[in-house]
Amino acid sequence: DQQVKQNSPSLSVQEGRISILNCDYTNSMFDYFLWYKKYPAEGPTFLISISSIKDKNEDGRFTVFLNKSAKHLSLHIVPSQPGDSAVYFCAATIQGAQKLVFGQGTRLTINP
Amino acid sequence: GAVVSQHPSWVICKSGTSVKIECRSLDFQATTMFWYRQFPKQSLMLMATSNEGSKATYEQGVEKDKFLINHASLTLSTLTVTSAHPEDSSFYICSARPGTAVWDEQYFGPGTRLTVT
Repeated sequence: DQQVKQNSPSLSVQEGRISILNCDYTNSMFDYFLWYKKYPAEGPTFLISISSIKDKNEDGRFTVFLNKSAKHLSLHIVPSQPGDSAVYFCAATIQGAQKLVFGQGTRLTINP
Repeated sequence: GAVVSQHPSWVICKSGTSVKIECRSLDFQATTMFWYRQFPKQSLMLMATSNEGSKATYEQGVEKDKFLINHASLTLSTLTVTSAHPEDSSFYICSARPGTAVWDEQYFGPGTRLTVT
């Protein structure tokens, strides 16, 4: 049972435009969400997170939106840069739990 | 930022043998370490959680006698795949978290590609 889903395995965006990566979850108990970025041959690195008490969190070019009623979150990157080309994972947890549940990842390619 | 290393980065072993993967936190003390497994084009699946000095907690469906986890110090955890079989071939990633309980501060290793022939 895939509790966290990233339905787009890949996304291609032109440099300078907005990249929008989507993530859906099924477990309504999840109350903390994270986005990770992964380059080849490296481990995932933390990008941005959001608690369920918020619907938006912003950090520089990265903004995460959370729609609890739709059980959906998205990561916006604007403007997109070539260095943003990577695989992006969303993850969810219940605060206090010792476990993160990951989506399958979306490969983002930024074209010059 | 905090660095987590894994060794080896890739390993090929014969069916029936055992292989050990090391995970080290290089510049912080990791109270908790996690071991994940990733199949191609799939998500990272948590295998087990280990706290320094205590037994690992395994996720449902993960054989603890097959995947031996040791977290003997605050900077080192090892995963031993015993009597490996081709179906154990996968990408194994560890992560480490310092004494705080903040998920933002979970740091991942680069992963180990295991191929069992």
